[in-house]
Amino acid sequence: GQSLEQPSEVTAVEGAIVQINCTYQTSGFYGLSWYQQHDGGAPTFLSYNALDGLEETGRFSSFLSRSDSYGYLLLQELQMKDSASYFCAVNKGEAAGNKLTFGGGTRVLVKP
Amino acid sequence: SQTIHQWPATLVQPVGSPLSLECTVEGTSNPNLYWYRQAAGRGLQLLFYSVGIGQISSEVPQNLSASRPQDRQFILSSKKLLLSDSGFYLCAWSPGPGNEQFFGPGTRLTVL
Repeated sequence: GQSLEQPSEVTAVEGAIVQINCTYQTSGFYGLSWYQQHDGGAPTFLSYNALDGLEETGRFSSFLSRSDSYGYLLLQELQMKDSASYFCAVNKGEAAGNKLTFGGGTRVLVKP
Repeated sequence: SQTIHQWPATLVQPVGSPLSLECTVEGTSNPNLYWYRQAAGRGLQLLFYSVGIGQISSEVPQNLSASRPQDRQFILSSKKLLLSDSGFYLCAWSPGPGNEQFFGPGTRLTVL
């Protein structure tokens, strides 16, 4: 079977750091993506890791360990606008049409 | 620049009625196209994807079907809607060799 596990909800205050973990078990793995979705909106791409290590994009960083089937998204200097759901997704590669298998999402609530 | 359109934005349909949701992409050629469904508070479930005109891959057996009559047009259909078809339907595209998927604004379908 295929599964991606991530916490359902995280609460933190403005300025804090939040780490969202994602463990996966899938048939076929090309890379791990992260998407952000505000309530009622469409998901938007945040980051992608194909190789082990840390990718940094502004306040957001993403990490991947292929040997551990594990990754995380790190949100730093949290702002109120970061309140949203965050999804990890396994990319199956070009041969599989670059299709994504999504986790259930982590709802992040930022408090003042 | 590329844009993706979906319509309608919201739809309320009776059980047993047909469905047709349309998605079009502008500003790119030969994109990979995807249909997802999202239940409230849940992750995205891939329904169909297409790597070219007339090429449709189905991910989940159900009473839905998809077609790609033109390069940048993707249509999701049903002959008879079920209550369980309610949800947020999202269309997405990606460049052939790309990793990022770009989502449309979505259609919120309620089947009564």
